[in-house]
Amino acid sequence: GENVEQHPSTLSVQEGDSAVIKCTYSDSASNYFPWYKQELGKRPQLIIDIRSNVGEKKDQRIAVTLNKTAKHFSLHITETQPEDSAVYFCAASIRDAGNQFYFGTGTSLTVIP
Amino acid sequence: DSGVTQTPKHLITATGQRVTLRCSPRSGDLSVYWYQQSLDQGLQFLIQYYNGEERAKGNILERFSAQQFPDLHSELNLSSLELGDSALYFCASSVSGRLTDTQYFGPGTRLTVL
Repeated sequence: GENVEQHPSTLSVQEGDSAVIKCTYSDSASNYFPWYKQELGKRPQLIIDIRSNVGEKKDQRIAVTLNKTAKHFSLHITETQPEDSAVYFCAASIRDAGNQFYFGTGTSLTVIP
Repeated sequence: DSGVTQTPKHLITATGQRVTLRCSPRSGDLSVYWYQQSLDQGLQFLIQYYNGEERAKGNILERFSAQQFPDLHSELNLSSLELGDSALYFCASSVSGRLTDTQYFGPGTRLTVL
């Protein structure tokens, strides 16, 4: 099956700086890559996603890039704010005997005011 | 609030017991997903249902089973519970169950097995 690795596991940045979280996947058949944000004690929420036919997608301060050849994708948060502090999960999804979803182990992001 | 509800919020039980977790999807959503989130294993996909039928199976143990009822709510049954089953169990729902549908997560059920 698919294996998704996520780095770093923890990340601290100063408010206003950028944060980058990277994920790699193993199955070249993976074709959908969502990112979830989970604040402490709350549910995961989709923040951005990208399909395998696109190299980059932006939504205000958040962007995701995908390199299919290298099988990695990254989340970029610019002008970080304290409310960006949360755990971020990447995921890779393939249609294999139904939809299969594989998550990274999460990155705990702390934005220091 | 995502519109997905889960009951109960917390559940404390003993090893060997059986519990049932319940999920009601957002109005209009036909697909339900179950996930297990534990400290050492992260977020793991268990199973997906679409309009009452099983659509996909992930890392779901044989001791676990699920179903989706005609009114679209879903139940996850966990039996012969072990200490390692202690985790947060989320359900999520989406409109049609397509791979790229946005999944909306419920608040989760925290299961503690003593």
